[in-house]
Amino acid sequence: AQSVTQLGSHVSVSEGALVLLRCNYSSSVPPYLFWYVQYPNQGLQLLLKYTSAATLVKGINGFEAEFKKSETSFHLTKPSAHMSDAAEYFCAVSVPRGGATNKLIFGTGTLLAVQP
Amino acid sequence: DSGVTQTPKHLITATGQRVTLRCSPRSGDLSVYWYQQSLDQGLQFLIQYYNGEERAKGNILERFSAQQFPDLHSELNLSSLELGDSALYFCASSVAGGVVDGYTFGSGTRLTVV
Repeated sequence: AQSVTQLGSHVSVSEGALVLLRCNYSSSVPPYLFWYVQYPNQGLQLLLKYTSAATLVKGINGFEAEFKKSETSFHLTKPSAHMSDAAEYFCAVSVPRGGATNKLIFGTGTLLAVQP
Repeated sequence: DSGVTQTPKHLITATGQRVTLRCSPRSGDLSVYWYQQSLDQGLQFLIQYYNGEERAKGNILERFSAQQFPDLHSELNLSSLELGDSALYFCASSVAGGVVDGYTFGSGTRLTVV
């Protein structure tokens, strides 16, 4: 079965500091990996995705993530945090099953706080 | 606006009651997914429909059921409601299986059971 583990349910950084949110996956076949962001009282928005092309993936709002097969990781980073980055971030894994059958498995989320 | 529309945004109801949550997918999307988000369980996949047919099932209780109609909108029916069913219910859609492009989420329906 596929799963993702997000280390750290709460992360706090200062404005301008590096953001690092950790995600490790478990999958018996090559996975597709996603990061989503959820702002308060809103739905989830796709930040970026890894679908077996380039291992370094760039997303919206200056975020990027690197797929490391040897470490089964897909950590999310941003060089300089902004106050507007404060939100909850979810890592998700999907395994293609053919046809239109699919489900995304989400991690438990990491709440990012940005201090002025 | 993501293009996925969920109604109502908020719902307050009593234990034992039945409610229906509605979702209209993004234009052109054939798959609809339902998720439940609660503080203790996180984001739990409930069920997927593709072009009117059930395709994948997750941790959906027997008291819950869903369907997708010919116009591709979907409804999630929750019956014999319990306090523990209080949660945010999200609908998401994708063109097909969403494996490559991921899902587009609606803004959710917040259900409170009192």
